[in-house]
Amino acid sequence: AQSVTQLDSQVPVFEEAPVELRCNYSSSVSVYLFWYVQYPNQGLQLLLKYLSGSTLVKGINGFEAEFNKSQTSFHLRKPSVHISDTAEYFCAVSINDYKLSFGAGTTVTVRA
Amino acid sequence: NAGVTQTPKFRVLKTGQSMTLLCAQDMNHEYMYWYRQDPGMGLRLIHYSVGEGTTAKGEVPDGYNVSRLKKQNFLLGLESAAPSQTSVYFCASGSTSYTDTQYFGPGTRLTVL
Repeated sequence: AQSVTQLDSQVPVFEEAPVELRCNYSSSVSVYLFWYVQYPNQGLQLLLKYLSGSTLVKGINGFEAEFNKSQTSFHLRKPSVHISDTAEYFCAVSINDYKLSFGAGTTVTVRA
Repeated sequence: NAGVTQTPKFRVLKTGQSMTLLCAQDMNHEYMYWYRQDPGMGLRLIHYSVGEGTTAKGEVPDGYNVSRLKKQNFLLGLESAAPSQTSVYFCASGSTSYTDTQYFGPGTRLTVL
C-alpha cells in the first residue's frame, strides 16, 4: 500500500516570496502523483499531476512540481506567491487504480 | 454545467439520528467517491462506485452505507450518527482513466451532537 507524507502542516509566507511544499510518498511500484488545492470553504481542485515523462510539471496559477524517483518526492513550488494563494494544499498518489491516497495537507497563509 | 453538487451544505444531527447526503454530477463520469476530511488527516475514502449499481468499501467505511441507483447520483447514508462522524464530507467523480482528475463537490459540513 502507498502512503503520502506532507512534511509541513503550516507554511506562513510573505506576499511575493517563494514557497515550497514538501511531499514524500512510499510505494513499491510506480505511482501517479497529484497536487490539489482547497481554497477556504470550497472543494478541492487539481493544481497539477505527474503521470510520466518530464519530471518537472507545470500547473495552474504559476505552480510547478518536480518528481524525484530516487528520493520518492514530489515537491510543489511557486516563485512568487499572492494573497490569493492562501489555501490548503494536498499531495495525493494513485497506483494503477481509481483511488487516491491523500496526505494530511499543508496550510499556506500568505501575509502582506 | 454544474459539475459536482452536494446536498445539503450543512447539517446538525443528534446522536442516533439518520440522514442521507446526496451527490450529483453532470459530467457523465463512471466513477464516484465519498471522502471525509478531518483536521490533520487529509481526505480519507469512505466508499466509492465504479459504475451504476456498484459500490465498494474504501478506507473508513464503518457506519456508512452508499447507493448508486443512477449513474449521476451517489448517496451516502448514516444510519445511526455518532459524534465521531462529525466531519466535512466531499463527493468526487472521475472518468474511467485512473490518470484523470477527480472533480470535487463543495462539501457538506456535518456536526453530530
